[in-house]
Amino acid sequence: GAVVSQHPSRVICKSGTSVKIECRSLDFQATTMFWYRQFPKQSLMLMATSNEGSKATYEQGVEKDKFLINHASLTLSTLTVTSAHPEDSSFYICSASNRETQYFGPGTRLLVL
Amino acid sequence: AQSVSQHNHHVILSEAASLELGCNYSYGGTVNLFWYVQYPGQHLQLLLKYFSGDPLVKGIKGFEAEFIKSKFSFNLRKPSVQWSDTAEYFCAVNVYNQGGKLIFGQGTELSVKP
Repeated sequence: GAVVSQHPSRVICKSGTSVKIECRSLDFQATTMFWYRQFPKQSLMLMATSNEGSKATYEQGVEKDKFLINHASLTLSTLTVTSAHPEDSSFYICSASNRETQYFGPGTRLLVL
Repeated sequence: AQSVSQHNHHVILSEAASLELGCNYSYGGTVNLFWYVQYPGQHLQLLLKYFSGDPLVKGIKGFEAEFIKSKFSFNLRKPSVQWSDTAEYFCAVNVYNQGGKLIFGQGTELSVKP
């Protein structure tokens, strides 16, 4: 139980385009989901907390207009990187909360050319 | 601000050696504590967690951790490591009433030599 999926697993896009990443909790409902970035050989950096039916809460320094988060249902949250630039290239990981424990998706590798 | 500190950046052990990875956090209130593991090329998996009760918790794959409140510590242990334990280990703290946010330590890379 407590499986979280992400799609796509890898994406390459041109600078200036937008990319949408989906996060799904497959076998439980998650009122709260989280989005992280992970840089090579580093820990996870929380970007935002996504709450079903309400606006996301962004961490300090994270541009909410650049990283659009939508939590349309109890099993799906999406992160859209708008007008992507090479510095947005990273590993994006989502997690879904189930009974105060976060379960993580496999991550999405984004490369912006 | 709350923080989590993992003392070792990279640990190298031979198979069958005992393992202890340190984790300390800075917060005086109620916390939930977690250890996650990230095997090469894979996603984070929950190893074990502590919410309340017996401060010695057992997790998957023979790992255990002990919560020592007076020391603000939650060290991870395994009596005998295997080559397959090679991975990145993350300690994390969930502060009560903070919306479920996790604060992660920097991670410890464990390399086990066969």
